[in-house]
Amino acid sequence: SQQGEEDPQALSIQEGENATMNCSYKTSINNLQWYRQNSGRGLVHLILIRSNEREKHSGRLRVTLDTSKKSSSLLITASRAADTASYFCATASYNNNDMRFGAGTRLTVKP
Amino acid sequence: DAGVTQSPTHLIKTRGQQVTLRCSPKSGHDTVSWYQQALGQGPQFIFQYYEEEERQRGNFPDRFSGHQFPNYSSELNVNALLLGDSALYLCASSWNTWGSYEQYFGPGTRLTVT
Repeated sequence: SQQGEEDPQALSIQEGENATMNCSYKTSINNLQWYRQNSGRGLVHLILIRSNEREKHSGRLRVTLDTSKKSSSLLITASRAADTASYFCATASYNNNDMRFGAGTRLTVKP
Repeated sequence: DAGVTQSPTHLIKTRGQQVTLRCSPKSGHDTVSWYQQALGQGPQFIFQYYEEEERQRGNFPDRFSGHQFPNYSSELNVNALLLGDSALYLCASSWNTWGSYEQYFGPGTRLTVT
C-alpha cells in the first residue's frame, strides 16, 4: 500500500518560476526521500532528509520536513523545461526495509 | 562505473505464462529491491534481497518470487501472469543500511500481458 500522497497531482508552470510540491505521510519515518522520473523510466534520487532534520538544500532544490504534521515539501527554484517530470516522495521507517512511495506530482515546465 | 541495469527493456507475454526479469546492481551494492509501478501510480514494493535471501516482502502474492545470486544480481519471476501484472518493473540497489538507505534505480522493464 502507498504511504504518502503528493499534492498537487499535476502542476504546470512557466520556465523561471518556482515549483512547490507537497507530500503527506501516515506513519513514523526514519527518513523521507524525493525522486524524479522522466517518461515512465527509472527513478532518479534527488534528496534525502532525515527525521531529525527540518530543511535541506541541493542546488535548486529545497526540501522541508515537518514530522509533527507528517508532511514534506519540495521546492524547485528557477525551473527549466528539463525539470518536466514526475516527482515522488518516498518514506523509510525504522522497522521496515521497504520504501513507500506516493502517487507523484506531474510537473510540466513550459519554455 | 555502471549503474543499475535491467533486462529486457520491454516484454510482451500472454496470460498464464511465466516471466523472468533480471537486474544487476550498482557496483559495490549488495541489496536489491524490486518494485511494480502501474501506469500513473507510484512504485509499489515487491520484495528485497540481501545475502541471497528475501529479507522483506510487500503485499504481493506468491506468484511473485525472486532470487539473488552470489554476485548480488537478482531475478524477479512472475508465474501465471494476469492482465493486471502489466506494469513497469523497477529494480533498485543499495548498500545494506537498515531503513535509511538511498536507492539507485534501474531503467525498468515494461511488461505487457495480453
